Amino acid sequence: KAGVTQTPRYLIKTRGQQVTLSCSPISGHRSVSWYQQTPGQGLQFLFEYFSETQRNKGNFPGRFSGRQFSNSRSEMNVSTLELGDSALYLCASSSDRLPNEKLFFGSGTQLSVL
Amino acid sequence: EDKVVQSPLSLVVHEGDTVTLNCSYEVTNFRSLLWYKQEKKAPTFLFMLTSSGIEKKSGRLSSILDKKELFSILNITATQTGDSAVYLCAVGGDRTSGSRLTFGEGTQLTVNP
Repeated sequence: KAGVTQTPRYLIKTRGQQVTLSCSPISGHRSVSWYQQTPGQGLQFLFEYFSETQRNKGNFPGRFSGRQFSNSRSEMNVSTLELGDSALYLCASSSDRLPNEKLFFGSGTQLSVL
Repeated sequence: EDKVVQSPLSLVVHEGDTVTLNCSYEVTNFRSLLWYKQEKKAPTFLFMLTSSGIEKKSGRLSSILDKKELFSILNITATQTGDSAVYLCAVGGDRTSGSRLTFGEGTQLTVNP
């Protein structure tokens, strides 16, 4: 069974640009979560999607948004990039069956904002 | 606000040593505590604990949860260089939290030959 796949692996952008990251969950998983990982803050929850609906949202500004498609693939978008958005963005999927907090992570997208 | 604190933040040991990693938490409506290992990018699942006092074990790794004192420990015996990684502790809240986890900053473990 293929794992969680994230693309691209690396991105370099400049301030003010926008970026879209993609995540394909494990086959059969309908829940997809996004986390931001930085050296000082650790992993911080961005949002979770389940069956194309946002189920939970973290404390990030509105520049961070996401969506989920009918095949459970998810994208997250960051608009008007700031230097502080440089981070590893991790996507995770989980099964519908309990316990659904057991997350399976992708290898992440390393975003650098110059 | 939910909070997870791990200690130490970094640890350097020699192969064969035994290490204990600590995780304390404050969370509304605790549901579960999870340990992950992050070697390069993707955190990989190690354990999930929901009941107090029960030890989970997998080879040289074991973990126990104390729900009364709100902490967990991860033990690694006979460490190997391949155990070098960041170990992450995370806590899940009530069912309305879905699959949302609150993570600690992690413990960077370095095992030298």
